[in-house]
Amino acid sequence: DSGVTQTPKHLITATGQRVTLRCSPRSGDLSVYWYQQSLDQGLQFLIQYYNGEERAKGNILERFSAQQFPDLHSELNLSSLELGDSALYFCASSATQGLADTQYFGPGTRLTVL
Amino acid sequence: GQQVMQIPQYQHVQEGEDFTTYCNSSTTLSNIQWYKQRPGGHPVFLIQLVKSGEVKKQKRLTFQFGEAKKNSSLHITATQTTDVGTYFCAPGGYQKVTFGIGTKLQVIP
Repeated sequence: DSGVTQTPKHLITATGQRVTLRCSPRSGDLSVYWYQQSLDQGLQFLIQYYNGEERAKGNILERFSAQQFPDLHSELNLSSLELGDSALYFCASSATQGLADTQYFGPGTRLTVL
Repeated sequence: GQQVMQIPQYQHVQEGEDFTTYCNSSTTLSNIQWYKQRPGGHPVFLIQLVKSGEVKKQKRLTFQFGEAKKNSSLHITATQTTDVGTYFCAPGGYQKVTFGIGTKLQVIP
C-alpha cells in the first residue's frame, strides 16, 4: 500500500460526459502528479501540482483540467469525453517538487467511455 | 522535458534466463529512477541512480547508470515468474517527469 488513494476505482460513462477523478496523496507529500496509461502504452504525464499550484504540464488535453486543494488532495476533471479517453488514470505523490523525488503511485482509476 | 527511449519494448524469456532493459537519453540526466508495474497493478519505485557510473544491486537486480549519465540499464539474473511486469525508467527532472514506454517482461515457466 503506497499511501496514495484514488477514487473511484472504476468509472463507466458515455461519450460527451464529464467525470471527476479524485486523489489523496501520502501524508506529508506536497506534490501530486496525474498520468494516463492506455492499453499497452507507457505512462503519459499529464500535470503536476505542488502545494496547490500548477508546477508542470505534460500532454494534457484542453478538455482536461486539474486542481489541488488546500488539504492537498487533487481532482482531475475530464470533459466532453471521447472513446479514446478510456484508460487507466494514475495519481502519484512525492514529498517535494521533484528532481530526485520518489513518486508513490495510487491504485489508479479505470475509466471506460462507451 | 527530458525524453528517454527504452528498449526492448517487449521481452519474453524462459524462467532462469537473464534479462536486460536499456534506457537511453539524448541529454545528460541528473538522476534516473526505475519503477516496476506488475500486471493489473500500479508502478512501484525500485531504485534511484545519481552518480556517473553508479551500480546498485537489489538481490537479482542490477542497476547501472552510464558514465556520461545518458543511459541506464536494469539487469535481472535468473528470472523468476515473480519478475513479470513492465519496467519503467524515469529521468528525474525539475520541470517534467517523463516515463519511458517501459519494457514488458514475460517469463515463461
